[in-house]
Amino acid sequence: DTGVSQDPRHKITKRGQNVTFRCDPISEHNRLYWYRQTLGQGPEFLTYFQNEAQLEKSRLLSDRFSAERPKGSFSTLEIQRTEQGDSAMYLCASGRDNTGELFFGEGSRLTVL
Amino acid sequence: GESVGLHLPTLSVQEGDNSIINCAYSNSASDYFIWYKQESGKGPQFIIDIRSNMDKRQGQRVTVLLNKTVKHLSLQIAATQPGDSAVYFCAENGAGNTPLVFGKGTRLSVIA
Repeated sequence: DTGVSQDPRHKITKRGQNVTFRCDPISEHNRLYWYRQTLGQGPEFLTYFQNEAQLEKSRLLSDRFSAERPKGSFSTLEIQRTEQGDSAMYLCASGRDNTGELFFGEGSRLTVL
Repeated sequence: GESVGLHLPTLSVQEGDNSIINCAYSNSASDYFIWYKQESGKGPQFIIDIRSNMDKRQGQRVTVLLNKTVKHLSLQIAATQPGDSAVYFCAENGAGNTPLVFGKGTRLSVIA
């Protein structure tokens, strides 16, 4: 257990529905990252926050994807109007400034029917 | 031996043998590298890291080697155990605190 919590661990939804994932990072970490991982691939960077500021969001896959970290602690990743191609594992990681190591949660697996 | 699967390169080793997993990275400006282990259904787990001012770093049963000339990273696991069976990813961090970029991964299978 790395100390990064993700919820829910599994989500099955119908195409067109909205889904939201939550990540609680390690409390003293000011950086929070979202990655997506599909079968047989390495994690793919989506977006990240330093405290409450979203520093990079150009890698979000489409305008259906959005992320927030309103108080600089937990974060949410929302996918609107889900499509079957959104089926993947969504991973959250946290880390400190000036270190590169990221601590990953166990992921939230999304299945879009 | 080593074989290429449908999705991931696979390395099969006998229990007790040493394993070497290789990775070619892409960004010559990267100054920090990490190896992660990922078991089925779990998130990546940190194994060992190395900065670009080093060419070798050792941990418990693991060694990472960095060759910046050819942009190559390797992970050596000594006395491989069944619990080492997993997918191993190398990740690089471009100069500065840019987000980690992951490689494709190698599946390690340990034969008891």
